[in-house]
Amino acid sequence: NAGVTQTPKFQVLKTGQSMTLQCAQDMNHEYMSWYRQDPGMGLRLIHYSVGAGITDQGEVPNGYNVSRSTTEDFPLRLLSAAPSQTSVYFCASSGDKGDIQYFGAGTRLSVL
Amino acid sequence: GEDVEQSLFLSVREGDSSVINCTYTDSSSTYLYWYKQEPGAGLQLLTYIFSNMDMKQDQRLTVLLNKKDKHLSLRIADTQTGDSAIYFCAERGSNSGYALNFGKGTSLLVTP
Repeated sequence: NAGVTQTPKFQVLKTGQSMTLQCAQDMNHEYMSWYRQDPGMGLRLIHYSVGAGITDQGEVPNGYNVSRSTTEDFPLRLLSAAPSQTSVYFCASSGDKGDIQYFGAGTRLSVL
Repeated sequence: GEDVEQSLFLSVREGDSSVINCTYTDSSSTYLYWYKQEPGAGLQLLTYIFSNMDMKQDQRLTVLLNKKDKHLSLRIADTQTGDSAIYFCAERGSNSGYALNFGKGTSLLVTP
């Protein structure tokens, strides 16, 4: 039972480069979300999705795009990376009740 | 978003009890959570409580909820050095679907 899988685990980018952080879950969860974690800031919501084809913005959406073409996958795209996007990114998913959110292991991103 | 507040640091001796406190502001929160994060690792769900409960006990962990004061606490009995980590309080509020609103985390140091 894989749960929530994030790839890659680590990534270094140069300013202006683009990349996609992958998130996949095998629990048939409708709800998925992306958070970023910065030192001393806790986790902040970037984007979320309540089902395939439906996405919405969270607290800190600027500089990030998402799409949800399937129930399983919820990729996060950085179109033009900036040093301010250096962070640890966590993907999470939740079932219908929304009582438990399952987190991936995180992607550690550095933008130089 | 609404603020979830936690003290930043707590130091206890091995074998003592630890109490980590949290206050939240969204009175419509349905679930409240405690997550543990060890250095360089992801988020581990320790326990959660539904908003119509006052207390939940799970082995060494006791969660107390005072809904009137919007105060949540996590007590760890017989604290061990392996409990040293950052502990995050989170609420599932009324906005952004099932998204969680996190505190900044309490760093627990357990000394021998």
